[in-house]
Amino acid sequence: GAGVSQSPSNKVTEKGKDVELRCDPISGHTALYWYRQRLGQGLEFLIYFQGNSAPDKSGLPSDRFSAERTGESVSTLTIQRTQQEDSAVYLCASSLVMGGPDTQYFGPGTRLTVL
Amino acid sequence: QKEVEQDPGPLSVPEGAIVSLNCTYSNSAFQYFMWYRQYSRKGPELLMYTYSSGNKEDGRFTAQVDKSSKYISLFIRDSQPSDSATYLCAMSVGGGADGLTFGKGTHLIIQP
Repeated sequence: GAGVSQSPSNKVTEKGKDVELRCDPISGHTALYWYRQRLGQGLEFLIYFQGNSAPDKSGLPSDRFSAERTGESVSTLTIQRTQQEDSAVYLCASSLVMGGPDTQYFGPGTRLTVL
Repeated sequence: QKEVEQDPGPLSVPEGAIVSLNCTYSNSAFQYFMWYRQYSRKGPELLMYTYSSGNKEDGRFTAQVDKSSKYISLFIRDSQPSDSATYLCAMSVGGGADGLTFGKGTHLIIQP
């Protein structure tokens, strides 16, 4: 079946511009997660959604970052007034939370370069 | 001190060798431990998932968790060139929907 998809796969933008990244989770998955992976670093948790509510926004690095989710479907991560330090791969994951161990399935990521 | 420490490598071993990958962590509340494999320009894929201390085996892969030492390991037997990838340890406090805390990843190279 279809996995997690993300678009665009690559995005190059100029400093100060806004960008919007999209994630399509696996159908039926109730939880959705955003992570950031900077070059040479591990994945950094940003935010997660249970349905369309976000119980944990603790990882968002600044108020320039925001995310939305429509129902139990698509999510968008928006970065306003991008800075060069925002350059990273942004990964989305989804999971089927049914109690017990929760496996997160990752998309291929969006590679963001801020010039 | 970072919550999860992992040697980034690269770790280069000959084909057929046993590989040992490790992470240490500082948060004693972590109870769920995972190993992900990530190929270049791809998203991470889950290899092993363990709860609390103990061992878990799946084919050529064995995961070990020692909560008393805050130390987790992944062993790969009969390593293959296709195992060449970055291996990321991850952990969480809760087993349900919960943001994972990752190590930096170890870049593994299996020489044919």
